[in-house]
Amino acid sequence: GENVEQHPSTLSVQEGDSAVIKCTYSDSASNYFPWYKQELGKRPQLIIDIRSNVGEKKDQRIAVTLNKTAKHFSLHITETQPEDSAVYFCAARDPSNTGKLIFGQGTTLQVKP
Amino acid sequence: EAQVTQNPRYLITVTGKKLTVTCSQNMNHEYMSWYRQDPGLGLRQIYYSMNVEVTDKGDVPEGYKVSRKEKRNFPLILESPSPNQTSLYFCASSSGNQPQHFGDGTRLSIL
Repeated sequence: GENVEQHPSTLSVQEGDSAVIKCTYSDSASNYFPWYKQELGKRPQLIIDIRSNVGEKKDQRIAVTLNKTAKHFSLHITETQPEDSAVYFCAARDPSNTGKLIFGQGTTLQVKP
Repeated sequence: EAQVTQNPRYLITVTGKKLTVTCSQNMNHEYMSWYRQDPGLGLRQIYYSMNVEVTDKGDVPEGYKVSRKEKRNFPLILESPSPNQTSLYFCASSSGNQPQHFGDGTRLSIL
């Protein structure tokens, strides 16, 4: 079945710098890759997603890139702010089960003022 | 407002005392799922349901049961809870190719 690896597990950046989180997946048939942000004590919330028919998607300071050949996708946050501090999860949809998401282990991002 | 509602939000109980965590969604979603979240392990799927009366095991189903008698509800049942089931639990729902929506979570402590 699908397996998703996420790196790094923790990331600390200075306010205003960029942050990049990377994920790899194992099943080349996977076609949907969401990213969730989880603030302390709260539920995961979708921040951006990408489907396999595109290579990049942007939403203001957030972008996701997908390399299908290498089977990896990345989250890019530019001009980081303290409110970006949270745990970020990548996920890949299991191609054998259209509803199931396989999550990475999570990245704790700390943005220092 | 579209939402996934879990109850209770917090529960402290003892080993062996049956408990149920309810999950309800108001978006008419076909797909519902339960996850547990543990430090360093991310979100792991316990059980899922593709539609009414259709349920299946996820990656960590041992010690749990579910049912899907109505489209909106997907309760998680721990028949005989044990301390290793102390965790943060999330219910989620989705429809078709749309993203999953998560509930606010239930923090279970089993002593």
